[in-house]
Amino acid sequence: AQRVTQPEKLLSVFKGAPVELKCNYSYSGSPELFWYVQYSRQRLQLLLRHISRESIKGFTADLNKGETSFHLKKPFAQEEDSAMYYCALKSGANSKLTFGKGITLSVRP
Amino acid sequence: ETGVTQTPRHLVMGMTNKKSLKCEQHLGHNAMYWYKQSAKKPLELMFVYNFKEQTENNSVPSRFSPECPNSSHLFLHLHTLQPEDSALYLCASSYTRANEQFFGPGTRLTVL
Repeated sequence: AQRVTQPEKLLSVFKGAPVELKCNYSYSGSPELFWYVQYSRQRLQLLLRHISRESIKGFTADLNKGETSFHLKKPFAQEEDSAMYYCALKSGANSKLTFGKGITLSVRP
Repeated sequence: ETGVTQTPRHLVMGMTNKKSLKCEQHLGHNAMYWYKQSAKKPLELMFVYNFKEQTENNSVPSRFSPECPNSSHLFLHLHTLQPEDSALYLCASSYTRANEQFFGPGTRLTVL
């Protein structure tokens, strides 16, 4: 069975500081990994996916199959990055999404 | 409001009540989903409908009864719920099962 682990519940940093939101997964097959974000009073939305290898709003995430990780990083955090971030794994022929518990990122001025 | 809409946004019900949650999308998507988001738990997939057919039921208790009359509408009928069913219920849709899921704003359900 697949599992997504986000070990931290809260990360609080000052504006301009680097950010790394951790995500580890367990899955026997070839995974497809995602980061979703939920800003205050907004709906959950896709931030980025590993297959795109893109940077969105300054965030990047690299799939490390050896460490089974998909950590989300940003070199310089902004206040508007404050939100809830969820790591998710899509698995199997039925493309089921399995989410982690999420982490709250708080960026202070 | 465009995208995926959900009504009501908030619902308080007693354990003996019967209520329904509604989800609607006019994005031309063929797959629709119900998720449950409880405090301190990951987002949990409840049901999946693909082209109006239920393709997944993640061991959800029968007091939750989904209905998908067409590809644009999805309902979650609730009856004799328990206080532990209080949660945020999210609807999502995608063009196909393999495509990006778009989420609604959710219905905050409180069971007294």
